[in-house]
Amino acid sequence: NAGVTQTPKFQVLKTGQSMTLQCAQDMNHEYMSWYRQDPGMGLRLIHYSVGAGITDQGEVPNGYNVSRSTTEDFPLRLLSAAPSQTSVYFCASSPKRQGRTGELFFGEGSRLTVL
Amino acid sequence: GIQVEQSPPDLILQEGANSTLRCNFSDSVNNLQWFHQNPWGQLINLFYIPSGTKQNGRLSATTVATERYSLLYISSSQTTDSGVYFCAVEGAGSARQLTFGSGTQLTVLP
Repeated sequence: NAGVTQTPKFQVLKTGQSMTLQCAQDMNHEYMSWYRQDPGMGLRLIHYSVGAGITDQGEVPNGYNVSRSTTEDFPLRLLSAAPSQTSVYFCASSPKRQGRTGELFFGEGSRLTVL
Repeated sequence: GIQVEQSPPDLILQEGANSTLRCNFSDSVNNLQWFHQNPWGQLINLFYIPSGTKQNGRLSATTVATERYSLLYISSSQTTDSGVYFCAVEGAGSARQLTFGSGTQLTVLP
């Protein structure tokens, strides 16, 4: 049982390049989400999904795109990387508890540097 | 949106000491969770605690939703407890979106 798997763990991009962070979970969780963590700050929600085919914006969605074609996968796309997107990115999944978010399980994180 | 404040921002303890971390939130919540981020960056869920009290070994947590705060107690601290402790809330008006506090950085000295 792998839990939440993120790839790659490290990535360096040049300004303007695009890339996709992959996220997969094997717990059959309904909810998946992407957060970014910047130094000295808590985690901020980028995008989230409550099920296959359904996505919505979080607190800081600009510059990012997501899709949820299956329950298991929730990739995050950076369309045109900017230095402000240098951060550590975490994918998370959770079961649905009576229509609310259940316990959140995180991947190990992906450290992205944009030059 | 909902505001989440954690205190203290930093805490240094000797091994064996007890500590209390606090999380205040500005509005009604559907749920509240506590996380530990270890020095390697891994985030581990400690408690799912929208209300009441839970215990897990040396750790326990209490949420008083009507007064909009939660407390995390760490007893007989160990060096492995070091890291950042975050609370996160799902506001009643922001279903399925968790808002995180800025965390408490805990250092336990041997």
